[in-house]
Amino acid sequence: EIVLTQSPGTLSLSPGERATLSCRASQSVTSYLAWYQQKPGQAPRLLIYDASNRATGIPARFSGSGSGTEFTLTISSLEPEDFAVYFCQQRRSWPLTFGGGTKVEIK
Amino acid sequence: EVQLLESGGGLVQPGGSLRLSCAASGLTFRSFAMHWVRQAPGKGLEWVSGLIGSDANTHYADSVKGRFTISRDNSNNTLYLQMNSLRAEDTGVYYCAKGLEASPNWFAPWGQGTLVTVSS
Repeated sequence: EIVLTQSPGTLSLSPGERATLSCRASQSVTSYLAWYQQKPGQAPRLLIYDASNRATGIPARFSGSGSGTEFTLTISSLEPEDFAVYFCQQRRSWPLTFGGGTKVEIK
Repeated sequence: EVQLLESGGGLVQPGGSLRLSCAASGLTFRSFAMHWVRQAPGKGLEWVSGLIGSDANTHYADSVKGRFTISRDNSNNTLYLQMNSLRAEDTGVYYCAKGLEASPNWFAPWGQGTLVTVSS
């Protein structure tokens, strides 16, 4: 099973600041990594797939990068609605697995 | 617009069974992979099971293998999860999610979830 480790656990930032979230895989997932956003009481929403492709309707301030075992989700300038929990997920091999999440909170 | 609506959750005793349903609309249901993902209270996401194409192509997390069965009824646009031998650690919100057309193991969109509580 591929283990995904996200860091930091919590990121405290102000609106307008840049957020950089990390996801590390226990073995190579090539580019088969996605990012999801989850707000309290809501279902997750797909942001990025295949490491760097924005899903339909996702604003350009969200970008993904990386390959192999190291991946980054960047939010270029935080909007109030971006404060949420973010999860990474791999589809390189079964079982599909998620990281533990990074909470982006208002400083 | 694709909509997914889960139902069937509730309180069940350890060792009991439940069947979850996910009614889909706004899509050609038979054309897409479908998955179940769960979230224990206050915890992260755990993929549970996926059905890629026909019923023969199913996958399960090790934690549910042999106890849970995923299936679909394409004539009624409904996905199911039969859960047997339930344990306390199966407690959580269960989401159904549709696979992307080009990449069946990315999930979009998700339903709002149904809560399963396993407790005596």
